[in-house]
This record gives sequence, C-alpha cells and structure tokens, in this order.
Amino acid sequence: KAGVTQTPRYLIKTRGQQVTLSCSPISGHRSVSWYQQTPGQGLQFLFEYFSETQRNKGNFPGRFSGRQFSNSRSEMNVSTLELGDSALYLCASSLAAGNNYGYTFGSGTRLTVV
Amino acid sequence: DQQVKQNSPSLSVQEGRISILNCDYTNSMFDYFLWYKKYPAEGPTFLISISSIKDKNEDGRFTVFLNKSAKHLSLHIVPSQPGDSAVYFCAASEGTGNQFYFGTGTSLTVIP
Repeated sequence: KAGVTQTPRYLIKTRGQQVTLSCSPISGHRSVSWYQQTPGQGLQFLFEYFSETQRNKGNFPGRFSGRQFSNSRSEMNVSTLELGDSALYLCASSLAAGNNYGYTFGSGTRLTVV
Repeated sequence: DQQVKQNSPSLSVQEGRISILNCDYTNSMFDYFLWYKKYPAEGPTFLISISSIKDKNEDGRFTVFLNKSAKHLSLHIVPSQPGDSAVYFCAASEGTGNQFYFGTGTSLTVIP
C-alpha cells in the first residue's frame, strides 16, 4: 500500500513568489494535516482538512492556505514568500479527523526561499 | 508559546545502554501523547503512544512513562542500538479529534 506522497521533494523560490505543495494521502485516508518543521521550532501545525473542509488551523499568517479535493488529495499554498518560510513542510494523513487513528507522515517538501 | 518542550536538543549513548528522552508539557488538558522517530530525508514515523489513564506503556525495547502531576513524559530505549540514531519528537493533544502539538525534537546518537 502506497504511503503518503508529497511533491515536489525540493523547491527553491525567491522572496515574493508563491508556491503550491501537494500531498496525496494513503488510499482510504480522508484526513490530511500539514506541519512546518524548522530547526529549533519542531513541528508547527498549519492546518487539517477532512472531507474537503478545514477542521483546524494553526497560528500562521493568512499567506498560508490550503485545500482538499474530493479524492482527499491536498494542496497548501504560500503566497508572498519570505526568507523565514524556508522549512520542511510535512503532510500527514489519517483515516478520520483528529488523532484517534494516528498519523502517517510523508517525507516532506524542502522549501528554500532565497 | 511552545506547549510541548524537549529541552535536550541532542543525546549520545553507547550501544547496549539505556537512552532516556524527556518531554515536558504545559497544558494540563493534554491527555494523549505520542513519540515519533525521524530519520533524515524521511517523514516522522509513529513509535509509541500513551493516554493519560496510564502511566506506562511498553512496546519491545521502547517504554513511555507519563507523570501527569509533573506534566512530564519520557521515552526509554533499552538496549539502545545504532539504528535508533534519529530525531525523536514527542507530541500531545487534548481530547480526541484535536491537533497534535509537537516538541522541538531530540537528536539521539547511539555510538557502536
């Protein structure tokens, strides 16, 4: 069974640009959560989607947005990129909303903003 | 404000000895805790969990201890193996259906 797939694996963008990251959850998983990992900050929760609806949102500016499609695939978008957005962005999927069923993480997308 | 803290960024242990990774939290409403392990270039993988109704959970070489009064949990790995070298994250959540809060991670190196 395929795991959580994130594309692209690596990305370099310049300040002010926007970026879209993609996440395909494990087949049958309907919940997708996004996290930002930076050194010294650990994993910071961005948002969670379930059945195309945003259930929870972390403490990030409005430049960070996401969506989920009917096939449970999810995208996150960051507009007007800043140097501080350089991070590993991780997507995690689970069977249902919330934490009852545990998360399976993808390998992440490494975003570098120059 | 970091609600889950791992105050040791790194830890080195000899192969065969015990590794103890610590985690503190500030929110007394947290009642479900997990540990994840992360190798470079891979996503975190689930290791072990514990709910607040227990104070210990064991899975093979891995044991998690929860001290609710101290708002502290720890992960014990016995015996430590070189393949255990990774970054370990603890995470906590309040109730079911809510987001996880992760710590900043502890990088464990097991020396052969």
